[in-house]
Amino acid sequence: GQQLNQSPQSMFIQEGEDVSMNCTSSSIFNTWLWYKQDPGEGPVLLIALYKAGELTSNGRLTAQFGITRKDSFLNISASIPSDVGIYFCAGHRHGNQFYFGTGTSLTVIP
Amino acid sequence: EPEVTQTPSHQVTQMGQEVILRCVPISNHLYFYWYRQILGQKVEFLVSFYNNEISEKSEIFDDQFSVERPDGSNFTLKIRSTKLEDSAMYFCASSDIGVSSYNEQFFGPGTRLTVL
Repeated sequence: GQQLNQSPQSMFIQEGEDVSMNCTSSSIFNTWLWYKQDPGEGPVLLIALYKAGELTSNGRLTAQFGITRKDSFLNISASIPSDVGIYFCAGHRHGNQFYFGTGTSLTVIP
Repeated sequence: EPEVTQTPSHQVTQMGQEVILRCVPISNHLYFYWYRQILGQKVEFLVSFYNNEISEKSEIFDDQFSVERPDGSNFTLKIRSTKLEDSAMYFCASSDIGVSSYNEQFFGPGTRLTVL
């Protein structure tokens, strides 16, 4: 199957700090998505990106669709305790199948 | 706000037993999906379902798995003869149009399946 690698695997940051994580693939994708998963719950969509180079913001979140279409990054500014969770990227090329990344676990220390 | 619901929240079963995981997608949605997440690992696509048939499936979705929409509201995943490696969190998702014209998939809270 497709492998989407996320880095870092985990992060421990102080409240108020900015966060940056990325996702890379050996394959091209037409859509990149970023999800957040809280413990015991399903993933929730944060941001969707539809074309190469696109930069999209959602509140304190900013994500970009890489020019090569093989990568994407997510930034969180001024982190707060409720940002804690696992962040997954997901890529889509065609059909109805999404490929999820390996996840970045974020811990925010108050 | 409409949401996807799943039952049970936790299912424990013996190896070799059949299990049925149930989902109620959002009522006006037309596309339905099952995903699997082994503990500590990434979310993996299993199958998508539209118009009462499978539209796409992954290599994980072998002959042990089947899906059904038995009535107008439920969407089920059946594992015919469970194996230890089937232990995972199973997520149902739905969307109102297919992802080729991307529209958000809404995920349920998941069913944790434990195979002993």
